Amino acid sequence: QKEVEQDPGPLSVPEGAIVSLNCTYSNSAFQYFMWYRQYSRKGPELLMYTYSSGNKEDGRFTAQVDKSSKYISLFIRDSQPSDSATYLCAMKRNYGGSQGNLIFGKGTKLSVKP
Amino acid sequence: ETGVTQSPTHLIKTRGQQVTLRCSSQSGHNTVSWYQQALGQGPQFIFQYYREEENGRGNFPPRFSGLQFPNYSSELNVNALELDDSALYLCASSLGAGEYFGPGTRLTVT
Repeated sequence: QKEVEQDPGPLSVPEGAIVSLNCTYSNSAFQYFMWYRQYSRKGPELLMYTYSSGNKEDGRFTAQVDKSSKYISLFIRDSQPSDSATYLCAMKRNYGGSQGNLIFGKGTKLSVKP
Repeated sequence: ETGVTQSPTHLIKTRGQQVTLRCSSQSGHNTVSWYQQALGQGPQFIFQYYREEENGRGNFPPRFSGLQFPNYSSELNVNALELDDSALYLCASSLGAGEYFGPGTRLTVT
């Protein structure tokens, strides 16, 4: 079992739809949960990160973490064609020290159709 | 833009050769990490440097090595290149939990 599982999609939605992206994980030691957006042939862009359980909102984006279920989600409201990209979840146990590296999912490819 | 830069953008090498990739961290970030991203996969952790010392390493062989300099810029060196080393190599700098990636170097080994 991989430490982080993410459905690679592809996921296609119409413009204006609410998008739900999800990851599950197996290591209960993870404390920091990140979402990255990666356009084709570019580096990943950090959208937001949360510490431990709970919700975090930034504009049209909402991240949720449920540590009891080992399940994280990213919601995109009012999706736009410019949101078309691959979305990567990532998590880490700590920062600083030897446990500070990110473990990534495979990424979900999202296409928002005009 | 994250302020993390990488060079070169692309390069093509032959199996058995050696390569050096470079990364300039975001201002004030004292930690740099390197990741390898194969096509269709998430990035895989290679190693991390904190204040010029290796601070953690992923499941990569010793022919992958690195350096961090006093200005926190960094190099990734790969010796004896293999075909499977073809990938996007990403550098990420951080000060706290969030890691900020550069645009990557696309390495093709033929």
